[in-house]
Amino acid sequence: GEDVEQSLFLSVREGDSSVINCTYTDSSSTYLYWYKQEPGAGLQLLTYIFSNMDMKQDQRLTVLLNKKDKHLSLRIADTQTGDSAIYFCAWGTGRRALTFGSGTRLQVQP
Amino acid sequence: NAGVTQTPKFRILKIGQSMTLQCTQDMNHNYMYWYRQDPGMGLKLIYYSVGAGITDKGEVPNGYNVSRSTTEDFPLRLELAAPSQTSVYFCASSYSQGVTYEQYFGPGTRLTVT
Repeated sequence: GEDVEQSLFLSVREGDSSVINCTYTDSSSTYLYWYKQEPGAGLQLLTYIFSNMDMKQDQRLTVLLNKKDKHLSLRIADTQTGDSAIYFCAWGTGRRALTFGSGTRLQVQP
Repeated sequence: NAGVTQTPKFRILKIGQSMTLQCTQDMNHNYMYWYRQDPGMGLKLIYYSVGAGITDKGEVPNGYNVSRSTTEDFPLRLELAAPSQTSVYFCASSYSQGVTYEQYFGPGTRLTVT
């Protein structure tokens, strides 16, 4: 079956780096994703990584993938108050639907 | 483009009532999905559709029905509302030709069943 673990909450100070982690059991997906959900809104794709890559950098975002340990992480450099949101890791299945983690709430303190 | 729109934004139902949650997308996406998000949890797939006239069950389909008569619309029907259906419902769509499976989400419908 598919199971995902994400820590529930992370608090950082503005300007610090944030690291959000995700551990999964199903390794068959071609792409793994990070989605962001702001209060009262739907989910928005933040970034993604192809499963044969170890790292992807996209401006302030760095995604690390350790396939051996089935561990995915999202690092946000120079975290801003506008980064406060819930972050979900997710991956695609053969039917093109997504399986989501339970989400990590990031709180950025000024 | 409006993207994915959902109505209503909020709704309170009594146990046993019925309602339809509306979802429309204007991006000509073939694939559409309904998810529910319970408090503190990730999203769970209820139903999905790979094109007009084709629907299939997801992880948690019991108590729901869907139809897909057009590419644009994918309504979700609750026939006999139960408190366990209190949740936030998200509709999403994606390209059929894309390789990254990126999904575009609507703003959600918050449903309370009392």
